Parts: sequence; C-alpha cells; structure tokens
Amino acid sequence: AQSVAQPEDQVNVAEGNPLTVKCTYSVSGNPYLFWYVQYPNRGLQFLLKYITGDNLVKGSYGFEAEFNKSQTSFHLKKPSALVSDSALYFCAVRDYGQNFVFGPGTRLSVLP
Amino acid sequence: NAGVTQTPKFRILKIGQSMTLQCTQDMNHNYMYWYRQDPGMGLKLIYYSVGAGITDKGEVPNGYNVSRSTTEDFPLRLELAAPSQTSVYFCASSPQTNSGNTIYFGEGSWLTVV
Repeated sequence: AQSVAQPEDQVNVAEGNPLTVKCTYSVSGNPYLFWYVQYPNRGLQFLLKYITGDNLVKGSYGFEAEFNKSQTSFHLKKPSALVSDSALYFCAVRDYGQNFVFGPGTRLSVLP
Repeated sequence: NAGVTQTPKFRILKIGQSMTLQCTQDMNHNYMYWYRQDPGMGLKLIYYSVGAGITDKGEVPNGYNVSRSTTEDFPLRLELAAPSQTSVYFCASSPQTNSGNTIYFGEGSWLTVV
C-alpha cells in the first residue's frame, strides 16, 4: 500500500533563508507525487507535482521540489522564505485506484 | 471560478442529530472525495466516488453515508452525530483521465457535535 511520511511536525526558518520541508514515500510502482499548502481556515491548494521527467519540479509561489528515486523522497524547497509562506504543507501520493494518500502535514513558520 | 463548493461553512449539532454536508463541483470531474481533518492531524478519507451512481468506502466511513446521483453533487450524510465526528470536512474532486491529475478542494465545513 502507498504511504507518505513527513518526518517533521514543525519547521521554523528565518525570513530570507532557504527552506526545506521533507517528504518520503512508499509506492509499488511509479510515483505520482504532489505538494499542497493549507492556510488557516482554508482548503488545501495545489503547489506542484511530479509525474515523470525532470527531477526538479517548479511550482507556485516560488516553490520547487526535488524527486529522488533512490531515496524515495520528494522534498519541498524554496530559496528565500517569506513570512507569508507560513502554513501547513501536505505531501501526497496518488495510487492506482486514483485515491490520494496524504502525509500528516508539516507546519512551516517563517519568522520575521 | 466556483470549483468545489461546500455548504454549510460552520455547523453545531447536538448528539444524535443528523445532517447533510452538501458538495458540488462545476468542473465535470468524475472523481469526488470526502475527507475529515482532525485538529493537528492530516486528512483521512471517508468516502469517494469514481462517477455518478458509484461510491466506495475510504479509511473512516463509519457513521457516514454518501450518494452520487449526478456528476456534480456528492453529499455527505451524518446519522446520529457523535462528539467523535467533530472535525473539519473537506470535499474534493479530480479528473479521471490519468493519475497525474491534481485534486481540488473545497473550503471546508467546520462541524462541532456537542
């Protein structure tokens, strides 16, 4: 069965510094990987996805993610964090049954 | 720009009452989902549907029922509400075409059972 792990409940970073939010996955075939962001009292919004091709995927709001097949990871990154990036981030994998499996979420706090 | 629309936004229920959370999408997506998100937790799949007339249980279906009479609508029914059903509920939809398609979420429905 597919699964997603986000090893950090909370990530704190200073504004202007690079940020990384970690995600590892387990799938039986080729992975379809996604990152979503949730702002307070809102639904989840799509950031980016990896389907195939380039291991570095660029998405919304300056975020990017690096797919690493050997480490089964899909870490979310941004070169320079903004206070407005503070939110809850979810990694997800989509299985063959078309259902999404979400990680537990990582709360990102960007400190001014 | 409607996307996935959920109603109501907020609701307080008494133990034992019943209610329906409404969900509609205007993107002609075949797949629809109901998730719950408990405080500080991730998303748990309650029910999903791959098309009109077809529904299936997810990870936590007990205490809920769904129907899918049209492509657009996917209501979630809570029978005999219990405090354990206090949660935020998200409806979502996705195209069928391939597994690379994203999932689109509604804004959520905050439910408190007292």
